[in-house]
Amino acid sequence: DAKTTQPNSMESNEEEPVHLPCNHSTISGTDYIHWYRQLPSQGPEYVIHGLTSNVNNRMASLAIAEDRKSSTLILHRATLRDAAVYYCILRGGSEKLVFGKGTKLTVNP
Amino acid sequence: SQTIHQWPATLVQPVGSPLSLECTVEGTSNPNLYWYRQAAGRGLQLLFYSVGIGQISSEVPQNLSASRPQDRQFILSSKKLLLSDSGFYLCAWSVSLYYEQYFGPGTRLTVT
Repeated sequence: DAKTTQPNSMESNEEEPVHLPCNHSTISGTDYIHWYRQLPSQGPEYVIHGLTSNVNNRMASLAIAEDRKSSTLILHRATLRDAAVYYCILRGGSEKLVFGKGTKLTVNP
Repeated sequence: SQTIHQWPATLVQPVGSPLSLECTVEGTSNPNLYWYRQAAGRGLQLLFYSVGIGQISSEVPQNLSASRPQDRQFILSSKKLLLSDSGFYLCAWSVSLYYEQYFGPGTRLTVT
């Protein structure tokens, strides 16, 4: 699985949008971009995934650059419950999820 | 809807003792099942995965073993625990090997 680069930490204020970036310059054509998050003392939670087009679901939006070398997870209105470590993962047909260090998101009230 | 259970939630075991952690999934048939471990301050590491009853693939050679005696039951075992086995153990399931995975609440194991 190809490598991703994320900022170690980010801060946001409650009810404001949050844009979490991920760089994946060595992504291959068959790699899907997956996002998971892990709240303190809990297991990871699937958030969203995409291949080329932008994706939306009830939790978040995923914006994928045209060259696919970067992507952004968008939380439209951050809440205190969104405070977690967010992981950007590339999956190219492997049973493994390879978790890096992720971005620790702090949401301020 | 699908639900994944793990027990116990926390466990403290002495070095050299055996281990058995259980994971069950409800609301789906023939899921793919996974065991991960997260050591303190480190990322998640895939330990085992299973595509069916009795079918286990090991990712990392270690002191642990896994079994799948029933379609929706996955068990992680050890005959003799080591200090290095301490960590947060997570079970996950997916519809297919390459689909998104859904994680259980985890078992926090401390080996003393």
